[in-house]
Amino acid sequence: KNEVEQSPQNLTAQEGEFITINCSYSVGISALHWLQQHPGGGIVSLFMLSSGKKKHGRLIATINIQEKHSSLHITASHPRDSAVYICAVGGGADGLTFGKGTHLIIQP
Amino acid sequence: DGGITQSPKYLFRKEGQNVTLSCEQNLNHDAMYWYRQDPGQGLRLIYYSQIVNDFQKGDIAEGYSVSREKKESFPLTVTSAQKNPTAFYLCASSIRVWGQPQHFGDGTRLSIL
Repeated sequence: KNEVEQSPQNLTAQEGEFITINCSYSVGISALHWLQQHPGGGIVSLFMLSSGKKKHGRLIATINIQEKHSSLHITASHPRDSAVYICAVGGGADGLTFGKGTHLIIQP
Repeated sequence: DGGITQSPKYLFRKEGQNVTLSCEQNLNHDAMYWYRQDPGQGLRLIYYSQIVNDFQKGDIAEGYSVSREKKESFPLTVTSAQKNPTAFYLCASSIRVWGQPQHFGDGTRLSIL
C-alpha cells in the first residue's frame, strides 16, 4: 500500500510570500492529485499530475516520477489561500490514498 | 451545475442507533466513494462502488454498510457496531478510468450524543 507523506504539517506565512508544500510517496504511481480543503470541510480538486508541471493562476504543481516527489507552490500568497492542502495518489475505481494534509495560514 | 450533494451537513446520533448519510451525484459518474476524516489523519476509504448494485470494502469498512441501487445515489449507514463513529464523512465520485480526478461533496459531520 502506498504511503503518502506531506511536509510541512503546518505553515504560517505573510501575505505575498512564495509558498511550497511537499509530498512524497512510497510506491510508483501514474497520477498524483492536489486537493484543497476549506474550513467548512468541502474539498476541491486543484491538480491531477502524471508528469512535469501544471499551472493554474497563482498555483503551480510539479512532479518527479523517478524521485516519487511532488510540490505545490503558491506565488504571491493571499489570506484567501488559507486552507488545508492535501496530496493524494492513485484514483479511478479503487479510490485515493491521502496524505495528512498541510494546514496553511496566510496572515495579512 | 453538476455536483455531489451530501446531507445533512451536521448529524447527531445517540449511542446504539444506526444513522444513514446521504450522497447524491448528478455527474453521471459510475464510481462513488465514502471516506472518513479524523483530526490529524488523512482521509481513509470506507467503501467504494464502481457500478450500480456492486460495492467493495475499503480500508475501514467495519461498522459501516452501503447500498448502490441507483447510479446517482450511494448512501452510507453507520451502524451501532461502529465503536467510534464521531468523524467527518466525505462522499466522492469519478469516472471509471484509473487516475481520473474525484469530485467531492461538502461532507457530513457526525457526532455522538
